[in-house]
Amino acid sequence: AQKITQTQPGMFVQEKEAVTLDCTYDTSDQSYGLFWYKQPSSGEMIFLIYQGSYDEQNATEGRYSLNFQKARKSANLVISASQLGDSAMYFCAMNRDDKIIFGKGTRLHILP
Amino acid sequence: DTGVSQDPRHKITKRGQNVTFRCDPISEHNRLYWYRQTLGQGPEFLTYFQNEAQLEKSRLLSDRFSAERPKGSFSTLEIQRTEQGDSAMYLCASSHGTPNTGELFFGEGSRLTVL
Repeated sequence: AQKITQTQPGMFVQEKEAVTLDCTYDTSDQSYGLFWYKQPSSGEMIFLIYQGSYDEQNATEGRYSLNFQKARKSANLVISASQLGDSAMYFCAMNRDDKIIFGKGTRLHILP
Repeated sequence: DTGVSQDPRHKITKRGQNVTFRCDPISEHNRLYWYRQTLGQGPEFLTYFQNEAQLEKSRLLSDRFSAERPKGSFSTLEIQRTEQGDSAMYLCASSHGTPNTGELFFGEGSRLTVL
């Protein structure tokens, strides 16, 4: 069965530094999608970035990039030049059948 | 605001009472999903609809839970005879078709506290 693992429950990063949030996944599917979502304190889940398993290039969206290493089954999120507004929970996710399943998340704190 | 809206945002109830949550998805989205999120955890899938058809229910959805989407637009999630373990954030999300490459659009959630 598909599974998402996020091993960092919390991280503290100085403002303007880059940060990497770890994610590993397990699936027997050949074709799958990987996602990252942000959840600020307001509670709403915000889609950040998508990577397809057959995409040869790592996905990028502004300051977000997904470091996809298929052989290692990892899909780490990299946030460049972190900002105070990046403080939030971050969830790695993947599609399974017709739905999306989520990891337990990493709480990111950006320090001024 | 044309995003996903949920009502109520907060609900406090006594154990044994029934509660109902409503979700209004983005109007052109045919898929609607319900998730449950407890403190320190990621969202857990409960059920989803394509138009008015409920296509899958998680084993997390006990027989005290029922969800409907009668006209393929808004959806309701009812919990009967609430228990303290039902305390959680209930998230609704919608998408246009299968969200395999696109994202789910989430509402801000309905937080349930069972005393």
